[in-house]
Amino acid sequence: GENVEQHPSTLSVQEGDSAVIKCTYSDSASNYFPWYKQELGKRPQLIIDIRSNVGEKKDQRIAVTLNKTAKHFSLHITETQPEDSAVYFCAASMREYGNKLVFGAGTILRVKS
Amino acid sequence: GAVVSQHPSRVICKSGTSVKIECRSLDFQATTMFWYRQFPKQSLMLMATSNEGSKATYEQGVEKDKFLINHASLTLSTLTVTSAHPEDSSFYICSARGTVNTGELFFGEGSRLTVL
Repeated sequence: GENVEQHPSTLSVQEGDSAVIKCTYSDSASNYFPWYKQELGKRPQLIIDIRSNVGEKKDQRIAVTLNKTAKHFSLHITETQPEDSAVYFCAASMREYGNKLVFGAGTILRVKS
Repeated sequence: GAVVSQHPSRVICKSGTSVKIECRSLDFQATTMFWYRQFPKQSLMLMATSNEGSKATYEQGVEKDKFLINHASLTLSTLTVTSAHPEDSSFYICSARGTVNTGELFFGEGSRLTVL
């Protein structure tokens, strides 16, 4: 089955700096890669996603890049703000399998003001 | 976006009792729902896929007789933790795909189970 690895496990940045979180996946058939933000005790919230036919997607301060050949994808947050502090999870799935998402281990992002 | 509601948000029970958690899709019909478990400071681990009108599909290592899943309607799936023990204490989250297959999953609020 699919296996998703995520790095780093914790990341501390100064407010205004950029943050990058990286994930790799094992199943080349995976074609949907979302990123979720989860605050303590809350549900995961989708912040951005990318499909396998696209190499990069951007939404304001957040961008995701996908390298299908290397089977890795990354989340980029620019101009970080204290409210970006949370746990971020990457995930991978194959739409044909009913969108069963396999999650990475998560990254605790701390933005210091 | 689609709304998924989960109840209860918190439950405390005694060891050996059973607890039922409900997951409802409020503004759409969900033929498939997914149940995840999340231990403190860990990732979301898929427990089972709940299919309306048929048996759930459990992930390897998840006891189907302990975690009973029922998906009797297109808007409701339930997870029952039977004979709960302290090691079952966790955050249980359901999710569902919206009617438009964009790939996105919508999550419920989660249910924090504490077994004493």
